[in-house]
Amino acid sequence: EAGVTQFPSHSVIEKGQTVTLRCDPISGHDNLYWYRRVMGKEIKFLLHFVKESKQDESGMPNNRFLAERTGGTYSTLKVQPAELEDSGVYFCASSQSYRRYNEQFFGPGTRLTVL
Amino acid sequence: GQNIDQPTEMTATEGAIVQINCTYQTSGFNGLFWYQQHAGEAPTFLSYNVLDGLEEKGRFSSFLSRSKGYSYLLLKELQMKDSASYLCAVSKGGGNKLTFGTGTQLKVEL
Repeated sequence: EAGVTQFPSHSVIEKGQTVTLRCDPISGHDNLYWYRRVMGKEIKFLLHFVKESKQDESGMPNNRFLAERTGGTYSTLKVQPAELEDSGVYFCASSQSYRRYNEQFFGPGTRLTVL
Repeated sequence: GQNIDQPTEMTATEGAIVQINCTYQTSGFNGLFWYQQHAGEAPTFLSYNVLDGLEEKGRFSSFLSRSKGYSYLLLKELQMKDSASYLCAVSKGGGNKLTFGTGTQLKVEL
């Protein structure tokens, strides 16, 4: 079974530019989550999709962040315009709804550096 | 709000046993996860506790006390490859979103 994949693995952009991160969840997983780890801090929840619907976006920092999951398969997270404080590692995770404990499988993350 | 505390670093010897503690304060609680993360890699699932008590899985065990807001991860017969960051995370809400501690960096020495 292929795991969660994320693209790109690294991205270096300048302040004010736009970046789009992509996540491909495990096939058949309805739940898709985005998390972020800023340097020296804990991993923090950003938002949760169930299929193509946003279930919870309470962790999104501000309206410069836009997440989509058209068709309920892969998801994109766009940051526009990027600011210095957006630097960090962005993780995607997916899970099956019917599993007893809803274990989340994580991707390797995208390391975003905003200069 | 949520507050999850775990030690920042621990060092242990190959072949020994180490216990990593995690305390939490949270509104709403579905269960507690432990993940292992090697540098530059994805966090990988180790264990999950929803009821009080001990869950054993090979060399790894995890304990939960909901009344005390306390969990620990026990690693036995330590191997060099166990050097990694260990993340304690609480699952809450209908969507089971995870709230993480900052992680415990474990170093296994000869």
